[in-house]
Amino acid sequence: DTEVTQTPKHLVMGMTNKKSLKCEQHMGHRAMYWYKQKAKKPPELMFVYSYEKLSINESVPSRFSPECPNSSLLNLHLHALQPEDSALYLCASSQVPSGSEGELFFGEGSRLTVL
Amino acid sequence: EDQVTQSPEALRLQEGESSSLNCSYTVSGLRGLFWYRQDPGKGPEFLFTLYSAGEEKEKERLKATLTKKESFLHITAPKPEDSATYLCAVADSGAGSYQLTFGKGTKLSVIP
Repeated sequence: DTEVTQTPKHLVMGMTNKKSLKCEQHMGHRAMYWYKQKAKKPPELMFVYSYEKLSINESVPSRFSPECPNSSLLNLHLHALQPEDSALYLCASSQVPSGSEGELFFGEGSRLTVL
Repeated sequence: EDQVTQSPEALRLQEGESSSLNCSYTVSGLRGLFWYRQDPGKGPEFLFTLYSAGEEKEKERLKATLTKKESFLHITAPKPEDSATYLCAVADSGAGSYQLTFGKGTKLSVIP
């Protein structure tokens, strides 16, 4: 099984809503990531979990709240978002750093639209 | 600050017309250079890792090479299904673990 599964594929939410994005992998990877990608731009790193602990938070606003319940699951909780947060949110996983941390396995993404 | 520049931004090829995509980089120390393919509305798909100058990797019609300042992705006799955006990313030994710097990508269109 070499897949990273993300749900939902599409999400439309108002600025006052609370929603969550979910990600699951069963490759035994112990590093999991959230990236944000705007149209015609490269992915931007948001958060990294290593062994279920938050390792990196790239100064992301607190309206985005990550959670890693176990080694296979990664969530991104969304609250009070702004229209400019509309983007493709990508989950990825990898082996922990050994030179191979750039070999990321990405999910298909969750397309988020904030009205 | 790490820099990754990909050229051209867009490339249109006739089916069977071979060409190369370029990724030039500036890092304090290269820990790895990575190529990805991304189809519209999908997540990137990992293609290759290159670690040191002179290294080459091949997969089907794609061949990636690395020098001390740039990497090339050579596409031999491309087919329409090779149409995608190709992203290059680097891991810098001077940066934190897990942090990649991505280029903006080259959008490849292969016309039948």
